[in-house]
Amino acid sequence: EDKVVQSPLSLVVHEGDTVTLNCSYEVTNFRSLLWYKQEKKAPTFLFMLTSSGIEKKSGRLSSILDKKELFSILNITATQTGDSAVYLCAVEGDTGNQFYFGTGTSLTVIP
Amino acid sequence: KAGVTQTPRYLIKTRGQQVTLSCSPISGHRSVSWYQQTPGQGLQFLFEYFSETQRNKGNFPGRFSGRQFSNSRSEMNVSTLELGDSALYLCASSLQGFTGELFFGEGSRLTVL
Repeated sequence: EDKVVQSPLSLVVHEGDTVTLNCSYEVTNFRSLLWYKQEKKAPTFLFMLTSSGIEKKSGRLSSILDKKELFSILNITATQTGDSAVYLCAVEGDTGNQFYFGTGTSLTVIP
Repeated sequence: KAGVTQTPRYLIKTRGQQVTLSCSPISGHRSVSWYQQTPGQGLQFLFEYFSETQRNKGNFPGRFSGRQFSNSRSEMNVSTLELGDSALYLCASSLQGFTGELFFGEGSRLTVL
């Protein structure tokens, strides 16, 4: 059965800390892995990863994929209160735009 | 450019009733997919439509159905509502429906009493 597992389930840090969020997957015919940020509204896109070992960066956020070990990490450096959200990992298989989502990591950044 | 629009945003129904949710994708996007989000299960795939055809369906009972119109707008219907159907229903659109970013609407929050 295809599945995506995220860890930790929740995390509380202080502003300025660095956090690493994990996503492991078992999905048939992997096509891509996406990271989303969800505050109390629609999930917003962060990164799409398709190749192993190539780091994607956007400001303080970065992500990398390991297709051999079937996982991805999302790093956030110098966290800010605005980073507080649920971070979702989604993996696309080869079955017509169907994404398998993890249950998310809830990040709380304390001032 | 307008984002994905879902209506209604909130609704309350009682067991046994049915509900229809609507989703208007981003202009030019032909793929629309639906997800159910609950605290314990996360986002679970319901179905995906591309050019009015259902291409893929998740593991939900037949009470959950959908359709897509020629203008790419989509509706999903849940009949004979159960308490467990209470959830946030998210619609997402994408340009071609292949590998690429999903753009989500803000969801329709359904409460079944």
